[in-house]
Amino acid sequence: RKEVEQDPGPFNVPEGATVAFNCTYSNSASQSFFWYRQDCRKEPKLLMSVYSSGNEDGRFTAQLNRASQYISLLIRDSKLSDSATYLCVVFRGGYNKLIFGAGTRLAVHP
Amino acid sequence: NAGVMQNPRHLVRRRGQEARLRCSPMKGHSHVYWYRQLPEEGLKFMVYLQKENIIDESGMPKERFSAEFPKEGPSILRIQQVVRGDSAAYFCASSTGTGGDEQYFGPGTRLTVT
Repeated sequence: RKEVEQDPGPFNVPEGATVAFNCTYSNSASQSFFWYRQDCRKEPKLLMSVYSSGNEDGRFTAQLNRASQYISLLIRDSKLSDSATYLCVVFRGGYNKLIFGAGTRLAVHP
Repeated sequence: NAGVMQNPRHLVRRRGQEARLRCSPMKGHSHVYWYRQLPEEGLKFMVYLQKENIIDESGMPKERFSAEFPKEGPSILRIQQVVRGDSAAYFCASSTGTGGDEQYFGPGTRLTVT
């Protein structure tokens, strides 16, 4: 079983739609959680950190449920420029390495 | 205010040759990480280095791969006697290393083995 699991998609949505991505992680010792965005053939870029209290950045809302070991990302009012692969990422302290999910592809169409 | 720099951006090697990938971390960052991304797959951790020290190499293949981060100069990921299966994007990231902090990625080196 992979340590970080995501639905690979693709999610095909029209502009303006709301879309939600889910992610589960298996190691309860995981300390920090992130969503990264990766455009085709480019490097991953940090989208946002994820906290138990939930956090919002404009159209993006991230949520963490430690009891269920579940992370989510909600994108409201999708734009064409949101088309990318969204990577769920877990950090384990003491190891200083990021564990990446395989990513969920999002395609926003006009 | 340069970000993480990697070179070359594209590298083509024939089977059996050596590949050297370089990474210069962001200014002020002393921790470097290498990740590999195979086609259609997620990023996989390879190695974590600080200056002159390998901290964690649990993701490195046992043979042909080595990494260093000397006191002066960039971090180097070296692949000896490359095989077709080594074709991938190799990303370097850096951080200040204060635990749980954000890692910033370079643009990657795309290695193609012919």
